[in-house]
Amino acid sequence: EIVLTQSPGTLSLSPGERGTLSCRASQSVTSSYLAWYQQKPGQAPRLLIYGASSRATGIPDRFSGSGSGTDFTLTISRLEPEDFAVYYCQQYGSSPPLFTFGPGTKVDIK
Amino acid sequence: QVQLQESGPGLAKPSGTLSLTCAVSGGSISSSNWWSWVRQPPGKGLEWIGEIYQSGITNYNPSLKSRVTISVDKSNNQFSLKLSSVTAADTAVYYCARSLVRGGYFDHWGQGTLVTVSS
Repeated sequence: EIVLTQSPGTLSLSPGERGTLSCRASQSVTSSYLAWYQQKPGQAPRLLIYGASSRATGIPDRFSGSGSGTDFTLTISRLEPEDFAVYYCQQYGSSPPLFTFGPGTKVDIK
Repeated sequence: QVQLQESGPGLAKPSGTLSLTCAVSGGSISSSNWWSWVRQPPGKGLEWIGEIYQSGITNYNPSLKSRVTISVDKSNNQFSLKLSSVTAADTAVYYCARSLVRGGYFDHWGQGTLVTVSS
């Protein structure tokens, strides 16, 4: 099973600042199968990035994804008030469990 | 636009069976997609439970496999989850979600439904 680790656990930033979130895998992940989600309280997760770097439909270009192998990054170039939320990375593999999620990074207001 | 909606009892008894249904609208469950269940205990992270294809092929999380059954009802455009022998540790918000074949990610989610396991 591929285990995903996210850091930091909490990121305290001010609106307008840049946020950099890390996701590290215990084994190499096919880049095509690394995704990022945003979740706000009481809501379902929302797909932001798939294939490590492709933005999902309707996602603003201030969100970008990068990385390969075992190290992936989600960058929010300039935080907007609506971006304060929890962010999860997720990988898809060929052996069960097919989908695993990281523990999440909470981005809160400084 | 595809929409998913979970339904089912919000309370399950310890040692009993949790049963939920996910209704799919705005698209056919017989399309080339996989249909999953994902859960989230209160205040915790996300855990994938399993998935089903329109043909009935299933894949389960090994940690839950012995207790999980996912089935599809194409005539009603919905799929279902049964989780047996539940304990308080199964208390969670349960989400249904769609992933594309060879996509590897969930592009549509239901709003989620809280199931509490308690006597």
